[in-house]
Amino acid sequence: DGGITQSPKYLFRKEGQNVTLSCEQNLNHDAMYWYRQDPGQGLRLIYYSQIVNDFQKGDIAEGYSVSREKKESFPLTVTSAQKNPTAFYLCASSIGQAIYGYTFGSGTRLTVV
Amino acid sequence: KQEVTQIPAALSVPEGENLVLNCSFTDSAIYNLQWFRQDPGKGLTSLLLIQSSQREQTSGRLNASLDKSSGRSTLYIAASQPGDSATYLCAVPQGGSYIPTFGRGTSLIVHP
Repeated sequence: DGGITQSPKYLFRKEGQNVTLSCEQNLNHDAMYWYRQDPGQGLRLIYYSQIVNDFQKGDIAEGYSVSREKKESFPLTVTSAQKNPTAFYLCASSIGQAIYGYTFGSGTRLTVV
Repeated sequence: KQEVTQIPAALSVPEGENLVLNCSFTDSAIYNLQWFRQDPGKGLTSLLLIQSSQREQTSGRLNASLDKSSGRSTLYIAASQPGDSATYLCAVPQGGSYIPTFGRGTSLIVHP
């Protein structure tokens, strides 16, 4: 079955550490997105990528970095510069113009300890 | 910038009721609108996708309508069941693009 796989499901980070969240899709989708979800705030866009080797900042990119070296993969690194990283992170993908809508992964819960 | 509002924010109903969830958006230059369901601690599951040229889509007990001119969409749930309890989100592309903007969702509880 085609879909998006996010790993790990739960992640714990110590203060000052960088961590990387994985997002892999086998849908042959061109565009991929990272969202952050906090209680009461809905989904906020962190980064998105339309094609390989190209990505754009979203509304809350500070403290995060991404890469898009392969069409199937769009990893997100939460750096130590992100002051409040505890949140639920969701990855999504779509065909370029999203004519068939968006597909989401199951999410990664990141907690700072 | 596209702004998406969902009303009500929360809803608690007895089993069997018919429900209407509302989604409004500010920029009507959209390609489509998509409704999702999210269970606690889970990802988003697509329910219905309405293209800009369509007025409604149906799947089982769910019916979604779209009125681009007024910037509104409704999700109708017929004969609600406890298994329908979840948060429902609508996603609308930012005006002139395909980057989705989300409402904050409607949290639905259907009690037996």
